[in-house]
Amino acid sequence: KAGVTQTPRYLIKTRGQQVTLSCSPISGHRSVSWYQQTPGQGLQFLFEYFSETQRNKGNFPGRFSGRQFSNSRSEMNVSTLELGDSALYLCASSRGDISYEQYFGPGTRLTVT
Amino acid sequence: AQTVTQSQPEMSVQEAETVTLSCTYDTSENNYYLFWYKQPPSRQMILVIRQEAYKQQNATENRFSVNFQKAAKSFSLKISDSQLGDTAMYFCAFMLVMIKAAGNKLTFGGGTRVLVKP
Repeated sequence: KAGVTQTPRYLIKTRGQQVTLSCSPISGHRSVSWYQQTPGQGLQFLFEYFSETQRNKGNFPGRFSGRQFSNSRSEMNVSTLELGDSALYLCASSRGDISYEQYFGPGTRLTVT
Repeated sequence: AQTVTQSQPEMSVQEAETVTLSCTYDTSENNYYLFWYKQPPSRQMILVIRQEAYKQQNATENRFSVNFQKAAKSFSLKISDSQLGDTAMYFCAFMLVMIKAAGNKLTFGGGTRVLVKP
């Protein structure tokens, strides 16, 4: 079974721009979660989508948004990029019921200049 | 809110020896899961082992085992017969078991860097 895929793997953007990251979950998984990893703040939960609905949200500003499509693929968008948004963005998929195992993708490394 | 603390920023171990990583967590809830994830230099986060809070028996996965002390809110990871490929960041993570509609969320500790020396 193919794992979680994320595109693009690397991205360089300028302050003020917006960016969209994509995540394709493991086949059959209906839940997709997003995490931000930075050296200063560590791993922080952004949000989770299940069956095209946001089920849970972390403590991030409204510039961070996401969506999920009917095939369970998910995108996250960051608008008006700031230097502090430079991070590794990790996507994780799970079956979506109260099953607890989350499987992570390789991440997208975003650099904001 | 739940918090997870890993007090050892870095540890080194000789190949074939054993190393134990510490993790403590804080929660007022009773039903939760605990995990250890490994993040090698490739940055791919890999699930190492999981523990359900309602289970008294400690989880074991090949060379990896945990010591789960629920009353003390402690969840340590033991890596036996350490191999060079075990060199990585290790993260302890907590997930509250909630009703389906409330979703799932992992809360991570700050990580412990493990270096296995030949």
